[in-house]
Amino acid sequence: NAGVMQNPRHLVRRRGQEARLRCSPMKGHSHVYWYRQLPEEGLKFMVYLQKENIIDESGMPKERFSAEFPKEGPSILRIQQVVRGDSAAYFCASSQGQGPAPQHFGDGTRLSIL
Amino acid sequence: DQQVKQNSPSLSVQEGRISILNCDYTNSMFDYFLWYKKYPAEGPTFLISISSIKDKNEDGRFTVFLNKSAKHLSLHIVPSQPGDSAVYFCAASANAGGTSYGKLTFGQGTILTVHP
Repeated sequence: NAGVMQNPRHLVRRRGQEARLRCSPMKGHSHVYWYRQLPEEGLKFMVYLQKENIIDESGMPKERFSAEFPKEGPSILRIQQVVRGDSAAYFCASSQGQGPAPQHFGDGTRLSIL
Repeated sequence: DQQVKQNSPSLSVQEGRISILNCDYTNSMFDYFLWYKKYPAEGPTFLISISSIKDKNEDGRFTVFLNKSAKHLSLHIVPSQPGDSAVYFCAASANAGGTSYGKLTFGQGTILTVHP
């Protein structure tokens, strides 16, 4: 499967715990984007990364959220000290990044906070 | 501030007829537009895109029209099939500098139901 791979598909955490969401982009794609879909809402941009660089984090909450895309390995979205309001579907997308090009999405991680 | 709007929450169409989904935007910096289809519990699937230098792009049963002066785009599906039933999102993007394009701004989605 050469598509965008996200894991885990479902993640359950208790309030105060940490959540780590992983994303492997499509082969040949060097640009990664994270989006969040809250219940009954559309997808909202969180962060845009290239290898080892954060390009745009204008959609990231100021506290508890961080993202990285290391030279080797998947991109990680990390949520510290989770709260009930973090319950959502988190989608990762990747693109080739050269000129206008479609972003291709993974199937998401559904995060539930108890 | 909702920069991309899909004003119709739902659309119901008979199989074989045309489905027309509409989308409006307010940000004049947007110059690349996309349509995605989404099934429950799956990620959005890319359908078709259009750059602002064009006013029409066609791919099989899907055609996207762009009216820059009206800041409006539409997706036409002809003929509609029951398997097209899904949520359709339009999205817009602007040049993030150099040759890279950044974040997508999504509309709220339109639920399309195609009846056999």
